[in-house]
Amino acid sequence: GQNIDQPTEMTATEGAIVQINCTYQTSGFNGLFWYQQHAGEAPTFLSYNVLDGLEEKGRFSSFLSRSKGYSYLSLKELLMKDSASYLCAVRGGASNYQLIWGAGTKLIIKP
Amino acid sequence: NAGVMQNPRHLVRRRGQEARLRCSPMKGHSHVYWYRQLPEEGLKFMVYLQKENIIDESGMPKERFSAEFPKEGPSILRIQQVVRGDSAAYFCASSRDGGTEAFFGQGTRLTVV
Repeated sequence: GQNIDQPTEMTATEGAIVQINCTYQTSGFNGLFWYQQHAGEAPTFLSYNVLDGLEEKGRFSSFLSRSKGYSYLSLKELLMKDSASYLCAVRGGASNYQLIWGAGTKLIIKP
Repeated sequence: NAGVMQNPRHLVRRRGQEARLRCSPMKGHSHVYWYRQLPEEGLKFMVYLQKENIIDESGMPKERFSAEFPKEGPSILRIQQVVRGDSAAYFCASSRDGGTEAFFGQGTRLTVV
């Protein structure tokens, strides 16, 4: 079956660093996406990994290990506005175009 | 360049009525995806379309739900004879091709009363 696992909720302190993990089991793999979603709003694209390793983009970085079926999204210098849900999605499965989504990790930033 | 446009933003329907949700993809995008999201849950894939073709509808319920993406005009997700369980946020996303990131619309929040 297809399965994406993320922690349901995490709490971090403003100015600190947080790492959100994602593990996946899919019948195929053609890339992993991270999206940010504020309550009541549309998801917005953060990062895409298709090869093993680390991708850095400003305060955000994403890591992928295909052999372990594992990814993480790291946020540094946390701001209050980073409070949101972070969604992990894998392109894979029966359809090579279909994105399989995790339930999302709700990140709460405290002062 | 306008983003993905969905309308209406909010839709209230009585049980048994039809709901029609519209999605206009970003300019230059010919791939459209529809997702459903229940409160406090992740996105669930429903259907993937290209112009005039349904590529993958494996996430769509077999009855009452249909989708189209005509040559001209927006993509339409149609839900017939709505039930309370259909209440959710329905997001549309578009991409230039099936291999690039998808951009999401603001969603349509359907409430069935």
